[in-house]
Amino acid sequence: DAGITQSPRHKVTETGTPVTLRCHQTENHRYMYWYRQDPGHGLRLIHYSYGVKDTDKGEVSDGYSVSRSKTEDFLLTLESATSSQTSVYFCAISPVSYGEKLFFGSGTQLSVL
Amino acid sequence: KQEVTQIPAALSVPEGENLVLNCSFTDSAIYNLQWFRQDPGKGLTSLLLIQSSQREQTSGRLNASLDKSSGRSTLYIAASQPGDSATYLCAVTGGGNKLTFGTGTQLKVEL
Repeated sequence: DAGITQSPRHKVTETGTPVTLRCHQTENHRYMYWYRQDPGHGLRLIHYSYGVKDTDKGEVSDGYSVSRSKTEDFLLTLESATSSQTSVYFCAISPVSYGEKLFFGSGTQLSVL
Repeated sequence: KQEVTQIPAALSVPEGENLVLNCSFTDSAIYNLQWFRQDPGKGLTSLLLIQSSQREQTSGRLNASLDKSSGRSTLYIAASQPGDSATYLCAVTGGGNKLTFGTGTQLKVEL
C-alpha cells in the first residue's frame, strides 16, 4: 500500500467548531488531493495541491481551507463545521497529473452534530 | 459540466458468473478513464486505466473497454468470486486535469 495516513479516522464534532484533518504521505509525491464522498454524489474534489504552498480549489471548496507547508503533509480545515459537512473525507496522492497513479488513504468519517 | 453515470447502482450475482458493469459520461473530451474498487471502510484502489487513444485494457480476470465517441465504458469481470464483492467506481479525467467520479456499482458475489 502507498504510504498515506489520514488522521483522525473518525471524528464527531459540534456545529460551529473548527476541525482539521491531516493527510501524511511517505511517497514524496507532488500532487495531493482532498475529496469528500457522499451517497448519491460519488467523490467530489474539495481542494488540491501541486506542490509546497501551491494549492487550488476544487468543485466543493466553500467552507474549507487547506495548507501544505511540507511535501508530506496536506491539511484540510473546516473553519466552522456545519451538518452539511458530515461526510467521509479521502486524501489522495499522485506523482503525476491527469488522474494517473492515484493512491487513496483510508478515509476520515466526520460527523457534525 | 462532465457527468458520470453508473448503472445499475447495485448488482448481485452467483459465484462463477461473468458480469459487466457500465459507465457513461457526457463529455467525450477526456484524457483517460479509470475503474476503481472500493471495499467497505477503505479508500479506492485503481484497477485499470485506459488512455483516450486506447480501446481496452486487461488485468487478470478484468477487462475494461472504452468507446469515447459514445461516452461509454464497460468493466467485464470473468468468473466472478466472492472476493470480488465491492463497490466499483469509474472516473474520467477531463479538462484542467479534473477527475470526475461516478457514484459506483455495489457488487455482491454470492456463494
